[in-house]
Amino acid sequence: DVVMTQSPLSLPVTLGQPASISCRSSQSLVYSDGNTYLSWFQQRPGQSPRRLIYKVSHRDSGVPDRFSGSGSGTDFTLEISRVEAEDVGVYYCMQGTHWPLTFGGGTKVEI
Amino acid sequence: EVQLVESGGGLVQPGGSLRLSCAASGFTFSSYEMNWVRQAPGKGLEWVSYISSSGSTIYYADSVKGRFTISRDNAKNSLYLQMNSLRTEDTAVYYCASPGGNWGQGTLVTVSS
Repeated sequence: DVVMTQSPLSLPVTLGQPASISCRSSQSLVYSDGNTYLSWFQQRPGQSPRRLIYKVSHRDSGVPDRFSGSGSGTDFTLEISRVEAEDVGVYYCMQGTHWPLTFGGGTKVEI
Repeated sequence: EVQLVESGGGLVQPGGSLRLSCAASGFTFSSYEMNWVRQAPGKGLEWVSYISSSGSTIYYADSVKGRFTISRDNAKNSLYLQMNSLRTEDTAVYYCASPGGNWGQGTLVTVSS
């Protein structure tokens, strides 16, 4: 199985400041069709997960543009340009290239 | 608006069975693959099972293979997860998830004597 490793586990942030989460996979996430199926999810306290980013850098509809995804191969990053109070929660990366689908362990973002 | 509504969770004894349902609306359900994902209390996310749009392709996590069965009824816009031989470690909130990034609110399954 592909192991997804996120860092840090916990990320204290300051409102208005940038934040960055790293996600590394144990093997390349480039699929045979040329796409890289790496997604990012946000789970606010008491809520269901919500997808923010798909295929490394594509923002889902309604996701603020302060969220951005980047990376390639085995190394990926989620960046928040200016943290807002509503961004508190746990963030997960997920790979959809190889079966079984696997998630990172999560990064808790707190003010 | 896309909506996914799970139901069927509850308290069950080890070795028991439950059938979860996910009612989909707001999109052409029959055109999309679907997944079940679970989250144990206080833990991270774990993919459970996948089914293609027609139901012809199915995958399971090793942890549930041989015990869980995923299915769908495209005429009813519904996704199902039949869970047999339940174990305490199956205790979790179960979410159905569409490839468009939409998730339901989840349904809690508690396996305990």
